[in-house]
Amino acid sequence: GAVVSQHPSRVICKSGTSVKIECRSLDFQATTMFWYRQFPKQSLMLMATSNEGSKATYEQGVEKDKFLINHASLTLSTLTVTSAHPEDSSFYICSATPGIYGYTFGSGTRLTVV
Amino acid sequence: EDKVVQSPLSLVVHEGDTVTLNCSYEVTNFRSLLWYKQEKKAPTFLFMLTSSGIEKKSGRLSSILDKKELFSILNITATQTGDSAVYLCAVAEDFGNEKLTFGTGTRLTIIP
Repeated sequence: GAVVSQHPSRVICKSGTSVKIECRSLDFQATTMFWYRQFPKQSLMLMATSNEGSKATYEQGVEKDKFLINHASLTLSTLTVTSAHPEDSSFYICSATPGIYGYTFGSGTRLTVV
Repeated sequence: EDKVVQSPLSLVVHEGDTVTLNCSYEVTNFRSLLWYKQEKKAPTFLFMLTSSGIEKKSGRLSSILDKKELFSILNITATQTGDSAVYLCAVAEDFGNEKLTFGTGTRLTIIP
């Protein structure tokens, strides 16, 4: 079946540093990938839509200069949290659609900023 | 604004009970409704519903969609402790960009 690989699964970083999260489609090409954020005991909130070869589309309220998205190939999208602060601590999940109606999620990245 | 609302927010039942989880939605261009189970990590797919009135089943789980009343239910019969999780409902819209709008989730706890 379609697999989306995400890593790292867990990262702890110091406040002010940047963290890169990778999302790869392993056995299919994904022109579009999605990045979600989930705070404790809350649902998944879409942050941005990553488009291969073009700029990402950000949801309202998400700072594009803080959450940099790069989708340079058909199998890889990256999310970089720049100048991370403790309030950025969250669970970040990517997803892609291997087929017209399929949605596959990565395993998620738990980010803790100290 | 598009909304997906789930109820109840949390539910605690005894093993063996049957539960019904609800999801209602208000979206502009509905395409499909999806149910996911989330334990400690990323959500795992349960069902995708596109047509009204057709029940989908997988073991003890089943789900049905009512596009006229804009809601879906997820049933779990003979619950087990392994069913304890957060159940998420999500709606995909027909804008060609395939993004999902998630509900708040229902936290289900099964007591042995």
